[in-house]
This record gives sequence, structure tokens and C-alpha cells, in this order.
Amino acid sequence: KAGVTQTPRYLIKTRGQQVTLSCSPISGHRSVSWYQQTPGQGLQFLFEYFSETQRNKGNFPGRFSGRQFSNSRSEMNVSTLELGDSALYLCASKEGNSIPGGYTFGSGTRLTVV
Amino acid sequence: QKEVEQDPGPLSVPEGAIVSLNCTYSNSAFQYFMWYRQYSRKGPELLMYTYSSGNKEDGRFTAQVDKSSKYISLFIRDSQPSDSATYLCAMSADSNTGKLIFGQGTTLQVKP
Repeated sequence: KAGVTQTPRYLIKTRGQQVTLSCSPISGHRSVSWYQQTPGQGLQFLFEYFSETQRNKGNFPGRFSGRQFSNSRSEMNVSTLELGDSALYLCASKEGNSIPGGYTFGSGTRLTVV
Repeated sequence: QKEVEQDPGPLSVPEGAIVSLNCTYSNSAFQYFMWYRQYSRKGPELLMYTYSSGNKEDGRFTAQVDKSSKYISLFIRDSQPSDSATYLCAMSADSNTGKLIFGQGTTLQVKP
């Protein structure tokens, strides 16, 4: 079956702009989580959605937001971009009741802020 | 101090060597422990999952958890060049959460 699809794969934005990243989970997966990966901080949890509800949120400023649609697809938005937002943004999905580590990750969106 | 500490390496070994990768953690509430492998330009993929303390073996991979020492390990036997990747440990306190706490990742290179 198809994996987790993230679009776009690469993105270059200017400081102050906003960006929306998209994630299509594996069919049947209702839980979607987002992570930011940088060389300095590693993988950091952004937020988790389950059945259109945000179930968990990481320690990121309010400029980072997300949502999940009824078909489980998810988007994350970053407003007023800063240079430090340059990172690989990873989306992961799993079936509702699978093990905590049962997430399948997408290949990510590489965001560069200039 | 980070909740999960992992030596970023890089670690370089010859083909066929036994590789030992480790993480320490500070949060005693962690009960679920995972090892992920990440190839360049790809997302992490789950290698091993362990609940609480103990060992788990899957082919050439063995995961160990010592909750008393807050220390987890991943052993790779008969390492292959295809094992060259970044290995990430991850942990969770809650069975029903998408919030995983990751280590920094260790970059492994297996030389032919």
C-alpha cells in the first residue's frame, strides 16, 4: 500500500512569509504526528492529530499550527517564517490503536528560509 | 540537559563487526522504547520496539532496555554496508500518544 506522502518535497521561502505543508497518511490511519528535524536539535515533536482533533502539542511557538481533515489528511502551517525554521518537517501516521512506535514516516518536506 | 542523550558519532566499523548503539534518558516515566533507522533523504523507519525492561531480538538486531539504569542499547550483528544510516532511539511514557522523544541519532558507517 502507498506510504505517507508529503508535499512539497522541497521549499524555499523568505523570512516573514508563511508556508503550508501537506501530509497524506496511509489509508486507514487516523493518527498523524508532525516533527521538526534539525542538525542541532534532532527530531522534535510538533503536534499530533487524531480524528480531526489535536491530541498533543509540543513546545513550539504559536506560529506553528496544524489541522487534520475528515479524510485524515493533515496540514501544518508556519507563519512569519524565521531563519531558524529551516528544517526537515516530517509527518508520520499510524492506526489508532497500534503501538506507540507504530508510526510510518514520510520522507519529509525540506524547508529553507532565506 | 536533554531528556534523551545519544552520542551522534560518527561511528565507523568494518563489515561483519558487531555494532553497539546506546541511549540514556532521565525521565523514569518512559515505558516504550524504540529504535529507528534513517537513511539519507528519507524518513525514519521503525526497527525495534520494546515495552519496559528486557531484551528483544529480530534477526541481526537486538534491543536491550535497562530501566534501572535508564539505558537502552541496540546491537547489530554481522553488520553490512547497507546498515550505514543514522540510528535514532525514541521513547514514550504513554501508550496512546504520538509524542515520541528522540535522541540526537548516531551516524553509522559500515565499510566493506
